Amino acid sequence: GAVVSQHPSWVICKSGTSVKIECRSLDFQATTMFWYRQFPKQSLMLMATSNEGSKATYEQGVEKDKFLINHASLTLSTLTVTSAHPEDSSFYICSAPPWGSTDTQYFGPGTRLTVL
Amino acid sequence: DAKTTQPPSMDCAEGRAANLPCNHSTISGNEYVYWYRQIHSQGPQYIIHGLKNNETNEMASLIITEDRKSSTLILPHATLRDTAVYYCIVRVPYNQGGKLIFGQGTELSVKP
Repeated sequence: GAVVSQHPSWVICKSGTSVKIECRSLDFQATTMFWYRQFPKQSLMLMATSNEGSKATYEQGVEKDKFLINHASLTLSTLTVTSAHPEDSSFYICSAPPWGSTDTQYFGPGTRLTVL
Repeated sequence: DAKTTQPPSMDCAEGRAANLPCNHSTISGNEYVYWYRQIHSQGPQYIIHGLKNNETNEMASLIITEDRKSSTLILPHATLRDTAVYYCIVRVPYNQGGKLIFGQGTELSVKP
């Protein structure tokens, strides 16, 4: 299947700093990418849809100024957690459907964020 | 997108078939049934999807009832590496605005 990568795989930062997470589709182009967050022992929660060349659309309750999303190219989307706090500590996962595909989408391996 | 109901957990003996049920009684005509699984601390892995016909691939089989209100994912010969949380999701294709919204899933434990 298609490959989606994330960088970094884990990050520890101090409270108040910003952290950028990258999501790349390695062998296909994606005009749309999705960002999820997962707390321990819970299911994945969709945060936002990243659209290449336009603004991201956020799910209800997700602060767009807190979680900045940039879809700079057909293979790269970034999520920046601004002014991170301990409650932002979570597992962040991206996914992408191959451009032109109408069925499945592929997930990255996830990024573990710990805010001290 | 329609809501799905899955048992929270199931056990299966290694080498036996694992049958994971999913109820989606409010599914609409253009919604597909998708199955993903998540092994601990990894990103979800696509397994299979279908609209109304039964589907089979190298990983699993998907059996959808005729009224489409429920489905079963079958792992024909479960191994220890199949231990994971399995998610059944119903949605329209993403280019029609559909999104993968995850429920609580079924935690499958394959035991030796």
